[in-house]
Amino acid sequence: ETGVTQSPTHLIKTRGQQVTLRCSSQSGHNTVSWYQQALGQGPQFIFQYYREEENGRGNFPPRFSGLQFPNYSSELNVNALELDDSALYLCAVVGQGNYGYTFGSGTRLTVV
Amino acid sequence: RKEVEQDPGPFNVPEGATVAFNCTYSNSASQSFFWYRQDCRKEPKLLMSVYSSGNEDGRFTAQLNRASQYISLLIRDSKLSDSATYLCVVNPLSGNTGKLIFGQGTTLQVKP
Repeated sequence: ETGVTQSPTHLIKTRGQQVTLRCSSQSGHNTVSWYQQALGQGPQFIFQYYREEENGRGNFPPRFSGLQFPNYSSELNVNALELDDSALYLCAVVGQGNYGYTFGSGTRLTVV
Repeated sequence: RKEVEQDPGPFNVPEGATVAFNCTYSNSASQSFFWYRQDCRKEPKLLMSVYSSGNEDGRFTAQLNRASQYISLLIRDSKLSDSATYLCVVNPLSGNTGKLIFGQGTTLQVKP
């Protein structure tokens, strides 16, 4: 039990569609990051939210966007899905004073 | 050049063997370093942080060489349960910024 929950666990979408992935964590995790992990690769940083504001972004286009809510849950939205968006999407939380980054179990997105 | 480079392997070793993984990183200003373990189709889990002085956790020993920008992980007395992908992870900034940079991962297969 990581204390970080992601939903859905699996998802199949068609190219061009939009998708929303969700992440929730125990209270106190005011920083949440999202990562994309393609098959056979390490996770790639998408962006980070701290207290509902984006405060860091990786090399991903604007069609990848996010939100963080007052209860620290978070969403990752991807518009105009492309085949290459097929990947495992992970959220990670960082507790205050804690250097351990805890990952959720991920959402496996397949774009066909 | 990738920011964090690892030999993807696979490393196939017999039970009881000692195996070492290496990793290099390109940003000399990087602040913190980790090894994560990822089982097939699961999320990455923190194995250990890596310090300049070196640190040990049971059968696992991690070393950091800042001058050479090199990180290592040594596993002694390999167990079947050690079979997994080991991800070298670098945080280029201090504190809990969430922007972790992952290597591709090194796959270890321990055989009876």
